[in-house]
Amino acid sequence: GAVVSQHPSWVICKSGTSVKIECRSLDFQATTMFWYRQFPKQSLMLMATSNEGSKATYEQGVEKDKFLINHASLTLSTLTVTSAHPEDSSFYICSARDLTYNEQFFGPGTRLTVL
Amino acid sequence: AQSVTQLDSQVPVFEEAPVELRCNYSSSVSVYLFWYVQYPNQGLQLLLKYLSGSTLVKGINGFEAEFNKSQTSFHLRKPSVHISDTAEYFCAVSSGGYNKLIFGAGTRLAVHP
Repeated sequence: GAVVSQHPSWVICKSGTSVKIECRSLDFQATTMFWYRQFPKQSLMLMATSNEGSKATYEQGVEKDKFLINHASLTLSTLTVTSAHPEDSSFYICSARDLTYNEQFFGPGTRLTVL
Repeated sequence: AQSVTQLDSQVPVFEEAPVELRCNYSSSVSVYLFWYVQYPNQGLQLLLKYLSGSTLVKGINGFEAEFNKSQTSFHLRKPSVHISDTAEYFCAVSSGGYNKLIFGAGTRLAVHP
């Protein structure tokens, strides 16, 4: 199956700083990537859908100015958490849709801790 | 709007016993259904999916699920579990193939020796 990587796997930052998380499809082209957020012992909540070359579509209640998503190429999407606060601490997971296999492949996740 | 309900937040079971993890969904349109497994601090791995055709779907690691349209259910089953099956299991629904996925709350399967 196709592989999706995320970098970094974990990050600790100070409140007020910005953090960028990368999501890469390693062996396929992904026209669509998805960003999810998962709180401890809870389910995944879709934050936004990212299409290559266009603006991301955010789910209701997700602040687009706080969670900046860029999908500049067919293999890379980035999520930037701007002016992070402790309540932004969470596990962020991306997925990429492979049209060849018509399947979403998930990355291993990034654990963000904001102090 | 679509939604997914996983009826059990935790399921304890002894090794080699059978297990069923329950999932019910609601949708006003045709659905595609999925089961994913998540090991600690990892992403999700697809266990199996129902898109169309046979309502009994077989997946990886010996798991299977049955789509029941009249009961709007997609329960996951395994006849004999192993310690290594201990993980979080998520049921998900999509209205269009691999478009946006709506996840259930998850079921923690704990397999004991």
